[in-house]
Amino acid sequence: QVQLQESGPGLVKTSETLSLTCTVSGGSISSNDFYWSWIREVPGKGLEWIGNIHSAGTTYYNPPLKSRATLSLDRSGDQFSLSLSSVSVADTAVYYCARVQYGYGNNWIDPWGQGTLVTVSS
Amino acid sequence: EIVLTQSPGTLSLSPGEGGTLSCRASQRITSTYLAWYQHKPGQAPRLLIYSASSRATGIPDRFSGSGSGTDFTLTISRLEPEDVAVYFCQQYGSSPLTFGGGTKVEIK
Repeated sequence: QVQLQESGPGLVKTSETLSLTCTVSGGSISSNDFYWSWIREVPGKGLEWIGNIHSAGTTYYNPPLKSRATLSLDRSGDQFSLSLSSVSVADTAVYYCARVQYGYGNNWIDPWGQGTLVTVSS
Repeated sequence: EIVLTQSPGTLSLSPGEGGTLSCRASQRITSTYLAWYQHKPGQAPRLLIYSASSRATGIPDRFSGSGSGTDFTLTISRLEPEDVAVYFCQQYGSSPLTFGGGTKVEIK
């Protein structure tokens, strides 16, 4: 059974770069059957999809975040990462990593990580 | 992008009682590309339903989904105490993926 676990700093200063890693256990991120995804829940705003990365390295981003977000893979460690640059207090959120089924019409999300709270403050 | 609006905000049910949660889309969702999730505090969200009406592996049959176009529903046929959670919908018919704001289900 695949499990995902987020890790990274819980506090980031404004204008700096937020960096999170997701470790996948019970499965391989090299599988062609899935995307690996980052989603966040901003207090009072709900859930927001950040982006997906496929094992081939292809990335897809939510347009409002595209200029600041970068997703990457570490196949040797079965990990994938999120970098979000130039953060502001509006980026304070619970960040989830997740697995998304590959292929158009199949993009449900299963499983999710438990989430990690990142607070942005000066 | 497709905006998903869920109602009611909170649904209070007695144990054993059934209830219906609604997810309405701002525009037609391609095919039935909608999923439902259960989220309990401190836990990872859990996939319940995909393709609007297909139950995910291990999901009890008291959970069912239906709908098409812009209107989708999640029905809990007989509430169990462990069903207390926030339920949210997600569309994957068009990019970006978007989510509803959630319905909180509580015990009356």
